[in-house]
Amino acid sequence: TQLLEQSPQFLSIQEGENLTVYCNSSSVFSSLQWYRQEPGEGPVLLVTVVTGGEVKKLKRLTFQFGDARKDSSLHITAAQPGDTGLYLCAGGNNAGNMLTFGGGTRLMVKP
Amino acid sequence: GAVVSQHPSWVICKSGTSVKIECRSLDFQATTMFWYRQFPKQSLMLMATSNEGSKATYEQGVEKDKFLINHASLTLSTLTVTSAHPEDSSFYICSARVRAPRSYGYTFGSGTRLTVV
Repeated sequence: TQLLEQSPQFLSIQEGENLTVYCNSSSVFSSLQWYRQEPGEGPVLLVTVVTGGEVKKLKRLTFQFGDARKDSSLHITAAQPGDTGLYLCAGGNNAGNMLTFGGGTRLMVKP
Repeated sequence: GAVVSQHPSWVICKSGTSVKIECRSLDFQATTMFWYRQFPKQSLMLMATSNEGSKATYEQGVEKDKFLINHASLTLSTLTVTSAHPEDSSFYICSARVRAPRSYGYTFGSGTRLTVV
């Protein structure tokens, strides 16, 4: 069974601060996705990384896939209240028919 | 972009009754859909994988007779919670994989909040 450990579980910061969310596993994933979920809604895909060492940027968000494709990180620069939400990492298996979700990081950015 | 439409958004039902949740892929065909359950402040837990034209695959611990899944077409999968009980109250979310060159993204429905009273 592939497991993804996500940390921290909860993060409360002030507007303008930087933060990093980590997603770690002992298993290798063919792809790694990051999602953001608002209360009462489904997760929305932010990014997919598939190559070991890959780095993708989405405005103030930087995503990195570990060289061994076992871990990933999400870094947010100058966080804003609009970044508040539940961030989920999810690893895809080789067959591409299953996602394993991390436990989620609940981010609160205070104005 | 690929859109998955999920209905209803919320439903309240009495104990012992059944509730059907629909999940439609609006602009693409989904041979496989996934059903998740999410409890408050927790992550998504995969319940079952729905395959068009065949039986669903259930995760360990999920009662297939209680959570009936039907995937009769390439654009529609349904989850029926039978004989619902208060402990079945949860947020249910469906998703489908969107196929594209080097894209492994999954698109999710907006979720259904089920409350059993």
